[in-house]
Amino acid sequence: RKEVEQDPGPFNVPEGATVAFNCTYSNSASQSFFWYRQDCRKEPKLLMSVYSSGNEDGRFTAQLNRASQYISLLIRDSKLSDSATYLCVGPTGGGNKLTFGTGTQLKVEL
Amino acid sequence: DARVTQTPRHKVTEMGQEVTMRCQPILGHNTVFWYRQTMMQGLELLAYFRNRAPLDDSGMPKDRFSAEMPDATLATLKIQPSEPRDSAVYFCASGLGMGASYEQYFGPGTRLTVT
Repeated sequence: RKEVEQDPGPFNVPEGATVAFNCTYSNSASQSFFWYRQDCRKEPKLLMSVYSSGNEDGRFTAQLNRASQYISLLIRDSKLSDSATYLCVGPTGGGNKLTFGTGTQLKVEL
Repeated sequence: DARVTQTPRHKVTEMGQEVTMRCQPILGHNTVFWYRQTMMQGLELLAYFRNRAPLDDSGMPKDRFSAEMPDATLATLKIQPSEPRDSAVYFCASGLGMGASYEQYFGPGTRLTVT
């Protein structure tokens, strides 16, 4: 099993919809995670940190489910500009480095 | 607005040639990462440094790749000799390492094509 796994998508949703992505992780001792956004032919950019209590920033909510070992990203009222690939990141290698998932592609359509 | 800078942004070279990529981390960041991204493999960690010391280079082909941090403002990634399979986008990222939990900030990448 990969240390960090994501559904590659694509998720095609209409503008205004709510969409959620999950990311599973294998290291049960992991405590902190991140969501990054990557636009086509651009570098990944930090979107949100996900700590044990979760995190909310405007239309974006990130949650951590330790029992089932996954993190989630919820996007409400999706915009065309939300179209991108969303990468989850978790600590691996004994917690000394971070591993990126392969990303979930989101396409928001009119 | 502090940013990670990388040079060159694009590089086209012939198989067998040496390639050097450079990265300037954000001032004050003590951790520097090198990643490679391809469509097939996604984002792979090649190596990373903390306080200029190499901590992990297990993701890097040792026979042809080398990574160094000659000073706190410069990280380099070299490929010698380059091969077509090295064609990818190489990202540098920096962060302020606090244990295992830290945010990383990426540079714009070097898009390498080896013919």
